Amino acid sequence: GAGVSQSPSNKVTEKGKDVELRCDPISGHTALYWYRQRLGQGLEFLIYFQGNSAPDKSGLPSDRFSAERTGESVSTLTIQRTQQEDSAVYLCASSREGPGGYTFGSGTRLTVV
Amino acid sequence: KNQVEQSPQSLIILEGKNCTLQCNYTVSPFSNLRWYKQDTGRGPVSLTIMTFSENTKSNGRYTATLDADTKQSSLHITASQLSDSASYICVVRAYGNNRLAFGKGNQVVVIP
Repeated sequence: GAGVSQSPSNKVTEKGKDVELRCDPISGHTALYWYRQRLGQGLEFLIYFQGNSAPDKSGLPSDRFSAERTGESVSTLTIQRTQQEDSAVYLCASSREGPGGYTFGSGTRLTVV
Repeated sequence: KNQVEQSPQSLIILEGKNCTLQCNYTVSPFSNLRWYKQDTGRGPVSLTIMTFSENTKSNGRYTATLDADTKQSSLHITASQLSDSASYICVVRAYGNNRLAFGKGNQVVVIP
């Protein structure tokens, strides 16, 4: 597709359940980022994938969070045993290698009740 | 302390008026600075990108300035329109680092 696609756009889940968020980057973009944006807050880095290199997981807030990406394709962000504090918009961005522009998806709004 | 500070946090302006948003950063060494516009419920969309050697860059009614010596940037919106209502986010990248430092955004509301 022409842009970064994220699904679902909205997700409501019960506390303690696991959720999986999906990101389809722009074709040819080797770099993929996950960010979290809590209500009224700035974007918080979670994880970064670059090609086949080991991902930079230093932003993941706890071991309940994990992400995978196969090659330069789709990425999934998994949150296990969700907590109310996990409620946020999860944004995915992709870019070509190097300090170029980043294209963001529209995000997944996660609400944990 | 956040590496990117934006002010004002929120701003209400009349349609047709101009406004200026400020971004101060401490990121070092500096690579580039971007301004993004984020409409409610949407992902951020890039407006401008500026490197160390660039002082001014325009994108339609949006003009960004950069003073790399004082580590300050501004985004000026000319002749505001209702569709300019959004959050404007300043994003700074350090040289040699793939991570981005985000400000919390300037929330702009344009009223008729």
